[in-house]
Amino acid sequence: QLQLQESGPGLVKPSETLSLTCTVSDDSINTYNYYWGWIRQPPGKGLEWIGDISSSGTTYYNASLTSRLSMSVDTSKKQFSLNLSSVTAADTAVYYCARRPRASYFDSWGQGILVTVSS
Amino acid sequence: DIQMTQSPSSLSASVGDRVTITCRASHGISKSLAWFQQKPGKAPKSLIFGASTLQSGVPSKFSGSGSGTDFTLTISSLQPEDFATYYCQQYYSYPITFGQGTRLEIK
Repeated sequence: QLQLQESGPGLVKPSETLSLTCTVSDDSINTYNYYWGWIRQPPGKGLEWIGDISSSGTTYYNASLTSRLSMSVDTSKKQFSLNLSSVTAADTAVYYCARRPRASYFDSWGQGILVTVSS
Repeated sequence: DIQMTQSPSSLSASVGDRVTITCRASHGISKSLAWFQQKPGKAPKSLIFGASTLQSGVPSKFSGSGSGTDFTLTISSLQPEDFATYYCQQYYSYPITFGQGTRLEIK
């Protein structure tokens, strides 16, 4: 069964860059059948889609984050990554990585990682 | 952007009850809708996709219906493990959007 695991610092200072990596347990990241996404959830609030990336590196970003957002994929390591620059307290959230079959829903999720933006 | 509006925002019910949660899209999304269950401190778990197709392993007590702009999730014979927050998600077009969630509580 597919597993996704987020990793990265749990604390980031304001104005710095939040960097997270998601490691995929199987070889599905090497196929063209899936997109790989990030979703976040501020404490006590709902889910917000951040962006998707394909195995070939094509990206789709939430317009509200585009100016600060960068995603990448490394299929040889079975990983994809998120960089969000110039963070503020509003970026404090649990960040989830997830798999999405093309034109479909998020069928597998990581356990999530809490990232707190604070000095 | 397609806005997803769930109702109610919260719901109290008893073990054994049948409940229905609705999700309305601001524009037609065909059947490109999924439902998720989330328990405190856990990642969302997919229940239904394509508006009505049950994810493998999900009990048949969960059912979904609808197309276009109006969708429902029905849970029959509520058990203690069903009390959670439920979200709908549209994947018809970017940006992918979620409903605000419906919190299902024990009465």
